Amino acid sequence: DQQVKQNSPSLSVQEGRISILNCDYTNSMFDYFLWYKKYPAEGPTFLISISSIKDKNEDGRFTVFLNKSAKHLSLHIVPSQPGDSAVYFCAASVANSGYALNFGKGTSLLVTP
Amino acid sequence: DGGITQSPKYLFRKEGQNVTLSCEQNLNHDAMYWYRQDPGQGLRLIYYSQIVNDFQKGDIAEGYSVSREKKESFPLTVTSAQKNPTAFYLCASSLQISNTGELFFGEGSRLTVL
Repeated sequence: DQQVKQNSPSLSVQEGRISILNCDYTNSMFDYFLWYKKYPAEGPTFLISISSIKDKNEDGRFTVFLNKSAKHLSLHIVPSQPGDSAVYFCAASVANSGYALNFGKGTSLLVTP
Repeated sequence: DGGITQSPKYLFRKEGQNVTLSCEQNLNHDAMYWYRQDPGQGLRLIYYSQIVNDFQKGDIAEGYSVSREKKESFPLTVTSAQKNPTAFYLCASSLQISNTGELFFGEGSRLTVL
């Protein structure tokens, strides 16, 4: 049973525009959320995270928004660059629960020149 | 440099053979994990370990086995009981399994069963 859902398998955006990647979760106990970026044939790398006590976290071109009532979070990339083309995974957890992260299926972002 | 090393990067095996994937970390992390990635399936947890000599099954543990005899090592054996072993395997570690810390991933091992 998928507790973290990324319903868009792929997204194409023009360079310079905003990329918005969405993630929904079903477990109301989740209180910590992370985004990972993955290039082909490489391991994922951590991008940005947010705790449930916040509704926004910003790091340079990347901003994550959390809407707890809707059980929804989104990753905004502004401006998008060709090097951002990768698969983005959303992950969620219950802090200090002793359980590992739950990952979504990923969204493949293509930023075109 | 600190990090996670997976080997081999590519591995070919005949059907019915067991194969062991290596994962070593020098980050002094307590927790280690094995994930499997298939196209369109995202990352699915196979096994994880919070401390030495202890490990727990993840969502898709059937057909796999692990050991954690040393803090820095967490090898994964893909047994002949695994029905569809061809996949990209990722090892990861974290300081603890508190989940507020990020996971550090290795480069992955691609296993192809012929």
